Amino acid sequence: AQTIHQWPVAEIKAVGSPLSLGCTIKGKSSPNLYWYWQATGGTLQQLFYSITVGQVESVVQLNLSASRPKDDQFILSTEKLLLSHSGFYLCAWSAQVSNERLFFGHGTKLSVL
Amino acid sequence: GEQVEQRPPHLSVREGDSAFITCTYTDPNSYYFFWYKQEPGASLQLLMKVFSSTEINEGQGFTVLLNKKDKRLSLNLTAAHPGDSAAYFCAVSGSGGSNAKLTFGKGTKLSVKS
Repeated sequence: AQTIHQWPVAEIKAVGSPLSLGCTIKGKSSPNLYWYWQATGGTLQQLFYSITVGQVESVVQLNLSASRPKDDQFILSTEKLLLSHSGFYLCAWSAQVSNERLFFGHGTKLSVL
Repeated sequence: GEQVEQRPPHLSVREGDSAFITCTYTDPNSYYFFWYKQEPGASLQLLMKVFSSTEINEGQGFTVLLNKKDKRLSLNLTAAHPGDSAAYFCAVSGSGGSNAKLTFGKGTKLSVKS
């Protein structure tokens, strides 16, 4: 069975500090990987997607970056956090075929103070 | 690009009543549709995946209707119970059939009161 693990579960960070969020998928080779951001009580915004190692596409600019260093790992990061980065970050994967459902991780709650 | 409008943003019903949520989309070539449920503080779980060829889709305790002519996707929770209290999101897969082009609605926060 496939599993998706996100870390950390929650973070409280200061404005201007760096951030790194991680996501690992086990049991599925070559998945499509996604990062989503959800403002508190808000809608889901797709940030990045990746269809293969080393290849990441940005969907929206939020002063964040993403990398896929391994087939099963997706990293979201920034060198300098903004207050507007607060929210809920969700990693997701789907099979490498069109229009398959997304499997979401449990998410990371980020509070920027 | 694809635009998805979801209504209502908030919905409160009594236990046993129906709860009706609607999404309208703009791309007539949209082919796959999804409903996700997000309980408070939790991640999203798939409720149903719908193909454009099927207009009526029955789930456990809910029905999903797809009206391609009006470009409208609806979720009807029949006989809602407190465990249905959650946020519900529709998602539409745009032309080209890639999850990279999945567009989510803004969500509906459903509260079911006993």
